[in-house]
Amino acid sequence: GESVGLHLPTLSVQEGDNSIINCAYSNSASDYFIWYKQESGKGPQFIIDIRSNMDKRQGQRVTVLLNKTVKHLSLQIAATQPGDSAVYFCAETFSGGYNKLIFGAGTRLAVHP
Amino acid sequence: EAGVTQFPSHSVIEKGQTVTLRCDPISGHDNLYWYRRVMGKEIKFLLHFVKESKQDESGMPNNRFLAERTGGTYSTLKVQPAELEDSGVYFCASSPYPGTGEEKLFFGSGTQLSVL
Repeated sequence: GESVGLHLPTLSVQEGDNSIINCAYSNSASDYFIWYKQESGKGPQFIIDIRSNMDKRQGQRVTVLLNKTVKHLSLQIAATQPGDSAVYFCAETFSGGYNKLIFGAGTRLAVHP
Repeated sequence: EAGVTQFPSHSVIEKGQTVTLRCDPISGHDNLYWYRRVMGKEIKFLLHFVKESKQDESGMPNNRFLAERTGGTYSTLKVQPAELEDSGVYFCASSPYPGTGEEKLFFGSGTQLSVL
């Protein structure tokens, strides 16, 4: 079936560097995308979202880029901090199915001092 | 404001036993969802309540799983009888939105279920 996938299962970065987490999706009908952060012992926490009519959206230290041509989504974290260490999930959904998020397997971000 | 709370946080049972998971959504959230993550794989949708009604239960794996939301407040997810492959983390989420777009789901911390 169609699902959201991730290129890298683990990403290690130095504190202060920028992090880029990538995600590929296969459902061309998907028009809403979300990034979630899951820390140990907690549930997924909303970070940022983007609709398909946008290419880029910025939040506080985070930016989501959407390339619909190649069905690619990325999350950029500026000046990565130890508190950013977590598993990051991308999720997709589409009109008529906003209740049903399709998640990727997750990428673990490890921030080293 | 309290977030989504789930109970228990961990449950260890033997194959064939019954387990009931509970979720208390954020007060006022009509939408309640159950998701699960098994074997370290992706988080998968199980079902969606709007108030006390099941809006979509297409993700329920089989008839050993029964979800209820009597009164439209808290929800329970019962697994009877539990099988080894049911082990995983069960997440509950809630949302105030009607499902027309930009759903920002608020997740609980999950219940780690281990079936031995």
